[in-house]
Amino acid sequence: KAGVTQTPRYLIKTRGQQVTLSCSPISGHRSVSWYQQTPGQGLQFLFEYFSETQRNKGNFPGRFSGRQFSNSRSEMNVSTLELGDSALYLCASSAGINSPLHFGNGTRLTVT
Amino acid sequence: AQSVTQLGSHVSVSEGALVLLRCNYSSSVPPYLFWYVQYPNQGLQLLLKYTSAATLVKGINGFEAEFKKSETSFHLTKPSAHMSDAAEYFCAVSEPTGGGNKLTFGTGTQLKVEL
Repeated sequence: KAGVTQTPRYLIKTRGQQVTLSCSPISGHRSVSWYQQTPGQGLQFLFEYFSETQRNKGNFPGRFSGRQFSNSRSEMNVSTLELGDSALYLCASSAGINSPLHFGNGTRLTVT
Repeated sequence: AQSVTQLGSHVSVSEGALVLLRCNYSSSVPPYLFWYVQYPNQGLQLLLKYTSAATLVKGINGFEAEFKKSETSFHLTKPSAHMSDAAEYFCAVSEPTGGGNKLTFGTGTQLKVEL
């Protein structure tokens, strides 16, 4: 079974631009979560989608948004990028509530 | 709000020595607990999970963890460290109520294994 796939692996953007990251979950997993990882703040929860609906949301500004498609693939978007948005963005899928999360290798975003 | 505390941001052991990584949680209800490992430039890989079935949980790569409710702890151990165990380890908690799959992670412990 293929794991969680995130594209692209690396991105370089400039301040003020917007970016879209993509995540394909493990086949059969309907829950997709997004996390931001930085050296200063560690792993922080962004949001979770289940069956195309946002089920949970973390404490991030509205510039961070996401969506999930009918095939469970998910995208997250960050608008008006700031330097502080530089981070590793991790996507994870799971089979059900409180089931383990299976993570992709992440997208490393650098904002200059 | 639930939280996780990992004592020691860096732990160094000799190859063959016992590995002990500490995790304490704060939760108002019996939690689901997880340990993940992260190698450089990779995502997180699940080592083991506690879901109240048994207090001693065995995971992959020879790791195990014991849930102690009285101490609100879920420490990770491995009897004999190997060079390949060098990585960053994260403890995480998820409450069984409220729905969803939101995990709260600790700040991580970087494990170094020396010859």
